[in-house]
Order: sequence, then structure tokens, then C-alpha cells
Amino acid sequence: GAGVSQTPSNKVTEKGKYVELRCDPISGHTALYWYRQSLGQGPEFLIYFQGTGAADDSGLPNDRFFAVRPEGSVSTLKIQRTERGDSAVYLCASSTTLAGELFFGEGSRLTVL
Amino acid sequence: DQQVKQNSPSLSVQEGRISILNCDYTNSMFDYFLWYKKYPAEGPTFLISISSIKDKNEDGRFTVFLNKSAKHLSLHIVPSQPGDSAVYFCAASHMDSNYQLIWGAGTKLIIKP
Repeated sequence: GAGVSQTPSNKVTEKGKYVELRCDPISGHTALYWYRQSLGQGPEFLIYFQGTGAADDSGLPNDRFFAVRPEGSVSTLKIQRTERGDSAVYLCASSTTLAGELFFGEGSRLTVL
Repeated sequence: DQQVKQNSPSLSVQEGRISILNCDYTNSMFDYFLWYKKYPAEGPTFLISISSIKDKNEDGRFTVFLNKSAKHLSLHIVPSQPGDSAVYFCAASHMDSNYQLIWGAGTKLIIKP
């Protein structure tokens, strides 16, 4: 489809493992955002890309989290040494312009056992 | 410290009646407010927004009211329809970082037939 695509939709991993979550934004959208939604809470900002560069990564909780967008389209959120507290739905969104309407993907549900 | 609060986790309304969802915020720097709607297993979708220079914005059955002095906004849906059953999130941003949305925890709206 033409929407934001996120894979995998579900990921179960063990504590200490490495995880990658992928986001394919809407074609032509230059801005890409990652949010994290824990159970019973609203989404929490993680990082924002304008083109290939991370314009603001102030929401990343610690240095175990890293995100890239090497060609200005697909983005990968990488989590090292996963912890149980990382369990959440990771939402990706894109927009045509900075602060334009956000279009969200369905999210990747991460469960760390 | 929650900057955006939705104090009602759930709300049940009869079909055809008015649904009123409330949101409070603490940061007086917020100047743009949005409502998103979320169905299960889907990402949030934009519903309606309001700038702090206005006190009302209407779009079909949906109206958002902003009371800056009370730091309060509300979403009115009239008449409520079964398809409106979803989780509604209030979000806010300010011009210093208008790409970074601060979200409430959401209110689950149930429309009873």
C-alpha cells in the first residue's frame, strides 16, 4: 500500500539480544519520526530525521538505542542489549514537511522476555 | 511529569449523543494541539487540530475547543457513531520544537448502539 510500513509487526526476543526495527515511510516524505508507546501511555518521542540526518535524537532513552536513515527513505531503529523495560510498541511516522501532519505505521510490538 | 493529561481512561456514550473528550496541559509554551484517533492494531491517525490563536476549530462532526487560561482542550463528537469507538489521543507541541509531539495517555471511547 501507500502508507507507512513497519516490520516486523511483532518481535519477541530475550533479554540482552540485539533488535532491529524497520520503517518504510510514504514515498516523498522527507521527515521521519520514531515514537515509543508503552502500555497504557501515549506515544513518546524518540528521534526525528530530516532527510538522512538525525535532526533531533533527544528522545532516545540511552546509548543502547540508535537509528539510521542512510538514503533518506527507509529507517532502522536499532536496540542493543535489550532489557525488559524496552518492551513497547515502536511507532514510525512520516510527513511531507517539518511538523506537517504525521502519518503513522501500524507499529512494531517488541516483547523482551 | 506529564505535560499532557487525559484523566479519563475510558468513556461510554450512547450512539447519537455527544461525546466529549477532555485534555489538560501544563506547559504554557504549547501553541499547537492535535487529536489523533487509534483503532486496535493500527497506528494513530490525525483527526483535528487547533492553533493557540484560536479557541475553536470545527470539521464535520468534530469540534475542538481550546481554553488557554485553563490550559484545557476538549474534543466534541456529535452525533456519535459506532465507528467512532477508538482510543483518542490529545497531543501538543510548541514552536521551539514543533515536530516533537507530547502526547496524553489516551481515552478509550465506546459508542453503545
